Amino acid sequence: AQKVTQAQTEISVVEKEDVTLDCVYETRDTTYYLFWYKQPPSGELVFLIRRNSFDEQNEISGRYSWNFQKSTSSFNFTITASQVVDSAVYFCALSEALSGNTGKLIFGQGTTLQVKP
Amino acid sequence: SQTIHQWPATLVQPVGSPLSLECTVEGTSNPNLYWYRQAAGRGLQLLFYSVGIGQISSEVPQNLSASRPQDRQFILSSKKLLLSDSGFYLCAWSWTASEAFFGQGTRLTVV
Repeated sequence: AQKVTQAQTEISVVEKEDVTLDCVYETRDTTYYLFWYKQPPSGELVFLIRRNSFDEQNEISGRYSWNFQKSTSSFNFTITASQVVDSAVYFCALSEALSGNTGKLIFGQGTTLQVKP
Repeated sequence: SQTIHQWPATLVQPVGSPLSLECTVEGTSNPNLYWYRQAAGRGLQLLFYSVGIGQISSEVPQNLSASRPQDRQFILSSKKLLLSDSGFYLCAWSWTASEAFFGQGTRLTVV
C-alpha cells in the first residue's frame, strides 16, 4: 500500500542553523512522483518541488536542497542557514502512476518547523 | 497564468445545516480538480477528485458530496453538517501527473 511517513512532528532550530526534514515513502509502483509543499500560517499550500522516480539526481534551489534515494525510499529536504520566514508546516507527498494519472496526492502528516531568531 | 479561487475563507455553521464551498480555476482548461481536508494538527486527506465535467470520484465515505457543473468549477456540499465535518478544506488543480496547486482554503467550524 502507498504511504508517506514524516517521522518528525515538530522541529525547532535557531536562525542560521541547517535543518533536514525527513520523508520516507512506500509504493508498489515503479513510476511515481514525490513532492514537497510548504504551508505557512496563512494555510495555503505552496509547491516547492516535484521529483519523478527515474530521476535520483539531487536538486538545489537557493537555500533549499533535496536528497532522493530510492534504495532507502527517502526524499529528504534540507534548509541551509534557516530563517524565521522558513517557519511553517512542511508536507511530503506521493503520486503514483498506478492511480491512472489522476494526480491524487498521498500526504505525510507534516513536520512543523519553528525557526527562532 | 493559472489561478485558483476558493471561498469563503472562514465559515461557522450549526450542526444540521447545509454546506456549499466553491472553487474555480482560471487560465487553464480540463484540469484535474481535488478537494482535500486537513483536520486540526494532521495531514491532508483527499476527499474527492474529478478528471472532467460531471466525473466525481470519492476517496472516503463521508457526509459530503462534490459536483463539477462546469469545466473549471468544483463544489463541495453537504445536506446536514456534523461536528466531525469541521476542518480546513483545500481545493486544488493539476494537469495529469504534475504538481497540484492549491487554493487558500476554507476553515469550517461546525458548532
